[in-house]
Amino acid sequence: GEDVEQSLFLSVREGDSSVINCTYTDSSSTYLYWYKQEPGAGLQLLTYIFSNMDMKQDQRLTVLLNKKDKHLSLRIADTQTGDSAIYFCASVSGGYNKLIFGAGTRLAVHP
Amino acid sequence: DAGVTQSPTHLIKTRGQHVTLRCSPISGHKSVSWYQQVLGQGPQFIFQYYEKEERGRGNFPDRFSARQFPNYSSELNVNALLLGDSALYLCASSSRTDSYEQYFGPGTRLTVT
Repeated sequence: GEDVEQSLFLSVREGDSSVINCTYTDSSSTYLYWYKQEPGAGLQLLTYIFSNMDMKQDQRLTVLLNKKDKHLSLRIADTQTGDSAIYFCASVSGGYNKLIFGAGTRLAVHP
Repeated sequence: DAGVTQSPTHLIKTRGQHVTLRCSPISGHKSVSWYQQVLGQGPQFIFQYYEKEERGRGNFPDRFSARQFPNYSSELNVNALLLGDSALYLCASSSRTDSYEQYFGPGTRLTVT
């Protein structure tokens, strides 16, 4: 079946890099996404990667995709306190683009 | 440009009651999807509508229904509310049913007592 798994918690020091990892099961996923959710808010689309790409960079964000291992990662360079949030990995399934989400990784940034 | 809007922001209902949640997509977007996010979990897909037709349905009971209007706004209806229906209900819009960019609204927080 379709499943996405993430580690639940990550703590980093301000200014360091953060790496959030995700694994998915649906090998037919055409796109993979990273969303950010701040307390009491909806989901903000951070970035996405097409399944035929290995890497995508967007300012402080770097997405790496290992399609063979069905592993996705999000690297945030120079992590700031404003990056503290829950980060969701999602794969897309079906012709109508149903998103399958992981449980989310809570990123805590401390001084 | 306005993003996805949802109303109401919060509401409290009693078990057995009915609720209607509303969503307006980004201007020009014709597809709306609904997700349920229980506290501590990732969102779960409920429905997708495109051009007023249901294009996808998740694993939710028939108490959940939705529709899309000619202006592409959408309603999610839940009948016979259960305590387990307490969640954040998120609406996402995209330009078409197969669009890879889906943008979420702020959600409606439903509490069932």
